[in-house]
Amino acid sequence: DAGITQSPRHKVTETGTPVTLRCHQTENHRYMYWYRQDPGHGLRLIHYSYGVKDTDKGEVSDGYSVSRSKTEDFLLTLESATSSQTSVYFCASRAADSYEQYFGPGTRLTVT
Amino acid sequence: DQQVKQNSPSLSVQEGRISILNCDYTNSMFDYFLWYKKYPAEGPTFLISISSIKDKNEDGRFTVFLNKSAKHLSLHIVPSQPGDSAVYFCAASAGGTSYGKLTFGQGTILTVHP
Repeated sequence: DAGITQSPRHKVTETGTPVTLRCHQTENHRYMYWYRQDPGHGLRLIHYSYGVKDTDKGEVSDGYSVSRSKTEDFLLTLESATSSQTSVYFCASRAADSYEQYFGPGTRLTVT
Repeated sequence: DQQVKQNSPSLSVQEGRISILNCDYTNSMFDYFLWYKKYPAEGPTFLISISSIKDKNEDGRFTVFLNKSAKHLSLHIVPSQPGDSAVYFCAASAGGTSYGKLTFGQGTILTVHP
């Protein structure tokens, strides 16, 4: 399995506060992705990266921003958290020659 | 607009029997399909995949069938084991310049009873 870690694993925050979630991979994968999982919706793509400093929006990007300054790290930021952003967030990475994405263990975020 | 749909939220089968999980898609640009398995409090793990140039792919107890004309794929697990109890997601990719983005279905909870 690809080495993908996410931090923190759990976080409770208040509405209006900024939050940053971190994803770290040790496989030197070019592509990285952030998803959120909500009941009845499966996993929905928030943002993705196709290289260092190369990112683009996914299906549900409003209220989120990302940064990728190194191959191994992909950060997801909620500039001002809202209750609708309470969710489980998953990071994934993929090698350039494969469709298969490897997922991290997830971060459970609660916005009160 | 849900481009990938898993219309059965849950499925219950007896140990040793076949489990069949279904998935439908609407986007004709999808050309690669994957199945993921997810246990509680863990990330999804890749199970099996199929390219649109094939109609069947097998890996041990797991077989994925693709019917392009019906825009339908299914995952067969034979024989089912209690350890297979998990949420199963199908996912699709459009290839080309899609950067490998995956579109997921809502998931099906599989419960295998001993």
